[in-house]
Amino acid sequence: GAGVSQSPSNKVTEKGKDVELRCDPISGHTALYWYRQSLGQGLEFLIYFQGNSAPDKSGLPSDRFSAERTGGSVSTLTIQRTQQEDSAVYLCASSRGPSSYNEQFFGPGTRLTVL
Amino acid sequence: DQQVKQNSPSLSVQEGRISILNCDYTNSMFDYFLWYKKYPAEGPTFLISISSIKDKNEDGRFTVFLNKSAKHLSLHIVPSQPGDSAVYFCAASDSGGGADGLTFGKGTHLIIQP
Repeated sequence: GAGVSQSPSNKVTEKGKDVELRCDPISGHTALYWYRQSLGQGLEFLIYFQGNSAPDKSGLPSDRFSAERTGGSVSTLTIQRTQQEDSAVYLCASSRGPSSYNEQFFGPGTRLTVL
Repeated sequence: DQQVKQNSPSLSVQEGRISILNCDYTNSMFDYFLWYKKYPAEGPTFLISISSIKDKNEDGRFTVFLNKSAKHLSLHIVPSQPGDSAVYFCAASDSGGGADGLTFGKGTHLIIQP
């Protein structure tokens, strides 16, 4: 069956440019999560959606980061005026519901490199 | 301030032997713990979990032990197989729900030697 998909798989951009990362969750999963993994670090939680709403955006690293989810399905993570420290693998996960007991299924990630 | 710590960046184990991966946490609000396995260029996949009301959970070759007083958990893999070579992440959450996401450790790279 179809898992979580993310696009692009790799993105190289110049400092100062905007980038948009896309996540297609598993059909029927109402909860969606964004994480990032910087080199040598664990996964850092960024934001969570239940349906189309994100109750808490405080995990986003700066105001250059924004995320939206439309139709309770696809989500996009946008980074404006990218900086070199934004270079990381951005991972999306989805689950059946918001409870921590629901398994989170991860996509393969988008590797972002900011030159 | 790391709330979930995996102090061994890598671990090498001979095929057929037991692999023991360790994880420590500092947040006493955590009550649900998970292990994820990650191969290169793939997303993490769920392996096994344990609730704080238990001290052991077993699934085939994988067993997770939880010591709440020490704020420590471990993953045992026995016998270890070549396909177990991967990065293993320990993760934790409180039962407050999904809004806080999972808190991950930095991972331990397990290498199974033939």
